[in-house]
Amino acid sequence: AQKITQTQPGMFVQEKEAVTLDCTYDTSDPSYGLFWYKQPSSGEMIFLIYQGSYDQQNATEGRYSLNFQKARKSANLVISASQLGDSAMYFCAMRGDDYKLSFGAGTTVTVRA
Amino acid sequence: DSGVTQTPKHLITATGQRVTLRCSPRSGDLSVYWYQQSLDQGLQFLIQYYNGEERAKGNILERFSAQQFPDLHSELNLSSLELGDSALYFCASSPSGGALDTQYFGPGTRLTVL
Repeated sequence: AQKITQTQPGMFVQEKEAVTLDCTYDTSDPSYGLFWYKQPSSGEMIFLIYQGSYDQQNATEGRYSLNFQKARKSANLVISASQLGDSAMYFCAMRGDDYKLSFGAGTTVTVRA
Repeated sequence: DSGVTQTPKHLITATGQRVTLRCSPRSGDLSVYWYQQSLDQGLQFLIQYYNGEERAKGNILERFSAQQFPDLHSELNLSSLELGDSALYFCASSPSGGALDTQYFGPGTRLTVL
């Protein structure tokens, strides 16, 4: 069974600064995918970034980058140049051989002007 | 907009009733997933269908059932509703249903059981 741990329930960040959201995972599957989703107060789940377990390079998508450290089983999300619209709940998720997408508890990010 | 549509957006019903939630996947996606998000349990995977066939099952109650139709839309049926079934229900879709596929989520259906 997979387990995703997000230890930061809430974070504050100043506008234009970078913020790192922690995510650790546990799996015995040889191949797996790691995902980050954003859930604003309106409720929808927005896909941000994906990292495959065999990918050699860390994934980047615009202001989002994923700091993947396979040996440590961590997949931290870095948001650069934070904007007010980044205020939301962020979920780390993992999917392995059982096809089930398992989510962490989420981290609430509040961007201050 | 992810391209996944869900109806209705909100649903208010009484205990013991039965409801049907509907989902249309993104154009070209063959796999559909259902998730439940509640305050106490977080986001939980319920079930996955691929091209009409059930592929994976998660923490789905026996009172709940789902299916995927030939046109690839899916329905989640919730029966004998209890107060604890109040939650946000998401549908997601992906191209092939493989383990490394990215899933794109619909806007969700907020179910309130009174």
